[in-house]
Amino acid sequence: DAGITQSPRHKVTETGTPVTLRCHQTENHRYMYWYRQDPGHGLRLIHYSYGVKDTDKGEVSDGYSVSRSKTEDFLLTLESATSSQTSVYFCAISGSQGLAGVNGGEQFFGPGTRLTVL
Amino acid sequence: SQKIEQNSEALNIQEGKTATLTCNYTNYSPAYLQWYRQDPGRGPVFLLLIRENEKEKRKERLKVTFDTTLKQSLFHITASQPADSATYLCALIPSGGYNKLIFGAGTRLAVHP
Repeated sequence: DAGITQSPRHKVTETGTPVTLRCHQTENHRYMYWYRQDPGHGLRLIHYSYGVKDTDKGEVSDGYSVSRSKTEDFLLTLESATSSQTSVYFCAISGSQGLAGVNGGEQFFGPGTRLTVL
Repeated sequence: SQKIEQNSEALNIQEGKTATLTCNYTNYSPAYLQWYRQDPGRGPVFLLLIRENEKEKRKERLKVTFDTTLKQSLFHITASQPADSATYLCALIPSGGYNKLIFGAGTRLAVHP
């Protein structure tokens, strides 16, 4: 999986509790992304980062925050988990520079985290 | 509204035949279109990308076409094998999208011996 790990791989939590998911890369890629995948919706972008301390919102960012203090780590936090945030979460990285980059923005995905909010 | 659509019904074909998957989009002007493969319980894996000024791209048994007039990409797997069974996702980068991919929901392909 292109040097990307996610932790935890599985988590069950209760509504209202905070949850932090971690993505770690060893590829020194500039761009990092958090997606959620739900049946019938495909992958939807939550937040992304284009450098250390540089992040921006994606399509479904409400209820989520992110932080990137080091190139290799991108954290996704659910401040107060809700049942609608039950999903599979994928982290991805891309080394492309600038507008779509030389290779068109190919992304490498981690193995995913299955989160269940009861 | 902007949409990227793939056939939600599974595609079932016999081994050795050519599988053709469709990706249609509306109200986007993609600079690139990509195809990924996803196996159950795994993250997507990049297969091919095609640029807006390219009509066709090939890689081994895979072929992608891109018709910006029809707003459609076709993904072909020739001489299909049971190991090709997976879900295939198309994704596009809108012009000015700065590496932000927009994904379709995917089409599941089942290749039967």
